Amino acid sequence: EAGVAQSPRYKIIEKRQSVAFWCNPISGHATLYWYQQILGQGPKLLIQFQNNGVVDDSQLPKDRFSAERLKGVDSTLKIQPAKLEDSAVYLCASSLEAGGEGELFFGEGSRLTVL
Amino acid sequence: AQTVTQSQPEMSVQEAETVTLSCTYDTSESDYYLFWYKQPPSRQMILVIRQEAYKQQNATENRFSVNFQKAAKSFSLKISDSQLGDAAMYFCAYRSSETSGSRLTFGEGTQLTVNP
Repeated sequence: EAGVAQSPRYKIIEKRQSVAFWCNPISGHATLYWYQQILGQGPKLLIQFQNNGVVDDSQLPKDRFSAERLKGVDSTLKIQPAKLEDSAVYLCASSLEAGGEGELFFGEGSRLTVL
Repeated sequence: AQTVTQSQPEMSVQEAETVTLSCTYDTSESDYYLFWYKQPPSRQMILVIRQEAYKQQNATENRFSVNFQKAAKSFSLKISDSQLGDAAMYFCAYRSSETSGSRLTFGEGTQLTVNP
């Protein structure tokens, strides 16, 4: 079974530029998550989708971050314009269930460096 | 809001020995789930073990077991017979028992080193 796919693995940009990350979840997983993991910290949820609807985006900085999951499968996270503090690993995860004891399956992450 | 605290940024253990990683959490809910996830260097985060709050019996998965103290809001992970492959960052996480929309909240992590 294929795991969660993310691209690109690494990205270096200048501040104020834009960047987009792509995620393809495990087939059949209705719930998709984007987490931000700053070096030395635990992952922080940015946005959670159930199929193509947003369940939780309360911690997404909406002035610069956007995410979509148009057909309820793959997803794109965009940052525009990027700031220095956006340097982090962006983790995508998926799960069968939307809550409870459901296990999250993570991708390898996309490491962003903003100069 | 729920918070998860891991007070040990780094831990080390000798191969074949036992180590315990600590985790405390704060919640007003009576039913919830707790997890330990492992993040090896440059690899995906994977689930190690999970515990449902209303179950009194501590969860075990092979060499991994937990000590769940609900009243103290404590959820420690014990790794027995430590192996070199256990070296990783370990995250404790909390999730409400709601069937949908509940956020998985992570602690800051504990970096575990296994010495040969």
